Amino acid sequence: GQQLNQSPQSMFIQEGEDVSMNCTSSSIFNTWLWYKQDPGEGPVLLIALYKAGELTSNGRLTAQFGITRKDSFLNISASIPSDVGIYFCAGLKGGNQFYFGTGTSLTVIP
Amino acid sequence: SQTIHQWPATLVQPVGSPLSLECTVEGTSNPNLYWYRQAAGRGLQLLFYSVGIGQISSEVPQNLSASRPQDRQFILSSKKLLLSDSGFYLCASPGTGGYTIYFGEGSWLTVV
Repeated sequence: GQQLNQSPQSMFIQEGEDVSMNCTSSSIFNTWLWYKQDPGEGPVLLIALYKAGELTSNGRLTAQFGITRKDSFLNISASIPSDVGIYFCAGLKGGNQFYFGTGTSLTVIP
Repeated sequence: SQTIHQWPATLVQPVGSPLSLECTVEGTSNPNLYWYRQAAGRGLQLLFYSVGIGQISSEVPQNLSASRPQDRQFILSSKKLLLSDSGFYLCASPGTGGYTIYFGEGSWLTVV
């Protein structure tokens, strides 16, 4: 199925730095989701966004639903070693079909 | 909240052997279930989705099949595995409202 454009593909950062990643699409989405996946495990939902312009936080994580409804970003503030993993965005246009980004691999250097 | 159980967690199978991965879901009233494959720890490829018992839609032509014998059960199968079937398989279910999707723990399949 269609995939969303997610960037960057990978990031190597120092512990304590802030992180920003984003997802874009040529299509409009009604819902944006952000997931984290640890090695060998299924993705875990971090944040769900339901309307354009919405800004939602979950601890050190903040995500926004773009005004155009074609993009979303995820910020992680003051990164820590346990933030390591692959982060995925997902979008729902309607109906039953979810679309996923290709993932951003995050490495935090202590 | 809903829980999605997958088993086995890890499987090593020879080429040409059959496959059966099982998924059961609890805690959601949404009837839809999905099977995804993830290669090399990156993008998720939708393989099958089901909106109810006996109703399966296939997204890509392949060596795999899916069945939904019970409302809360989704099975991924193959009669003869290929090397290219290796990967991480994820079962998924939407939340009750249908606006979010949740994943099982995943099943690692290595075909040798």
